[in-house]
Amino acid sequence: DAMVIQNPRYQVTQFGKPVTLSCSQTLNHNVMYWYQQKSSQAPKLLFHYYDKDFNNEADTPDNFQSRRPNTSFCFLDIRSPGLGDAAMYLCATSRDRSDSNEQFFGPGTRLTVL
Amino acid sequence: AQSVTQPDIHITVSEGASLELRCNYSYGATPYLFWYVQSPGQGLQLLLKYFSGDTLVQGIKGFEAEFKRSQSSFNLRKPSVHWSDAAEYFCAVGAWAGTALIFGKGTTLSVSS
Repeated sequence: DAMVIQNPRYQVTQFGKPVTLSCSQTLNHNVMYWYQQKSSQAPKLLFHYYDKDFNNEADTPDNFQSRRPNTSFCFLDIRSPGLGDAAMYLCATSRDRSDSNEQFFGPGTRLTVL
Repeated sequence: AQSVTQPDIHITVSEGASLELRCNYSYGATPYLFWYVQSPGQGLQLLLKYFSGDTLVQGIKGFEAEFKRSQSSFNLRKPSVHWSDAAEYFCAVGAWAGTALIFGKGTTLSVSS
């Protein structure tokens, strides 16, 4: 089945230690998104890629970076995680800009910062 | 600016009873509207979506939602709730393809026996 896969499902890191979260998709979608969801809050978009075009949300901290080496994979890099970055990180995809913006979500990676 | 309001933070419904979760949006044109469900520790699953046409939309798991332009609402309904429906429900609005979904803060549904 076509799907959005996130690895790992649970990630523990130390304060200030860089961490990378992975997302892959078999849907062949052009757009990939990263959302941050803190406890009991709504998902909040960090950035998205339309093909290779990177689009950063205005209030996304510089500590968060992303890479998309090919259509299938997208990575979220947190350069120096702080305690406030502990959250669920959700990857999503949508087919194209001409689509109706239906987004398909992965299961998420829960990040713990010690 | 686009926004989504889910007025109810937490709702408890008896198993077998009907359910309505409220969602109000703010957007200048006809929006794309979505309801997602999230079980604890899981990602988001799409329940249903509205783009245009018939204002009553059927979704998965027996859910439906009605778009009311005059009230800027897109309420989610289910005639008979099952214990497995206990989860977090998010209403979301999107302007057009390739942009962010704006989510409401969510409604937690508890189901009592």
